[in-house]
Amino acid sequence: EAGVTQFPSHSVIEKGQTVTLRCDPISGHDNLYWYRRVMGKEIKFLLHFVKESKQDESGMPNNRFLAERTGGTYSTLKVQPAELEDSGVYFCASSQFRGGNTEAFFGQGTRLTVV
Amino acid sequence: ILNVEQSPQSLHVQEGDSTNFTCSFPSSNFYALHWYRWETAKSPEALFVMTLNGDEKKKGRISATLNTKEGYSYLYIKGSQPEDSATYLCACRSGGTSYGKLTFGQGTILTVHP
Repeated sequence: EAGVTQFPSHSVIEKGQTVTLRCDPISGHDNLYWYRRVMGKEIKFLLHFVKESKQDESGMPNNRFLAERTGGTYSTLKVQPAELEDSGVYFCASSQFRGGNTEAFFGQGTRLTVV
Repeated sequence: ILNVEQSPQSLHVQEGDSTNFTCSFPSSNFYALHWYRWETAKSPEALFVMTLNGDEKKKGRISATLNTKEGYSYLYIKGSQPEDSATYLCACRSGGTSYGKLTFGQGTILTVHP
């Protein structure tokens, strides 16, 4: 069974440009999460989808970030326009359930560098 | 605000040494504690999920304990090997409306020298 896959693995863009990150969760996982790790700091929650609905977007830094999950399958995270402080590793995770001892499976991350 | 703290930040040990790290979290509203092993450019690998006070879990040479009353978890590695070198992350899941999300500590970077 395929794990969580993210594309691209690396992206280098200039400040002011737009970047779209993609996440394909494990098939059948209704819960999809986006996280970000800025260098030297902890991995931080961005938002949580249940199927196509945003359950919790409390971690989204500002309105330059837009996440979608049309059809409840894959998700995209768009940053427009990108700023230098957006650099970091963006992780996607998925889980079948969201409570109890449910395991969350992570993708390998997209390393975004804004120059 | 949920704060998850890990110590030490980094650790260097010799092959064959046993080692342990600590994860501290607020004990109120606790739901679950996750441990992950992460090598850069790879997916964080789930090691354990624990929910009950006093839980102890083991996977090969790695084991973990949980104390929800005082808000800490220990991860132990017995007979460290160079391939154990990685960042070990703990993450807490709290109750309430946002009980799906994980709050991570900064991680402990383990380097095992041959």
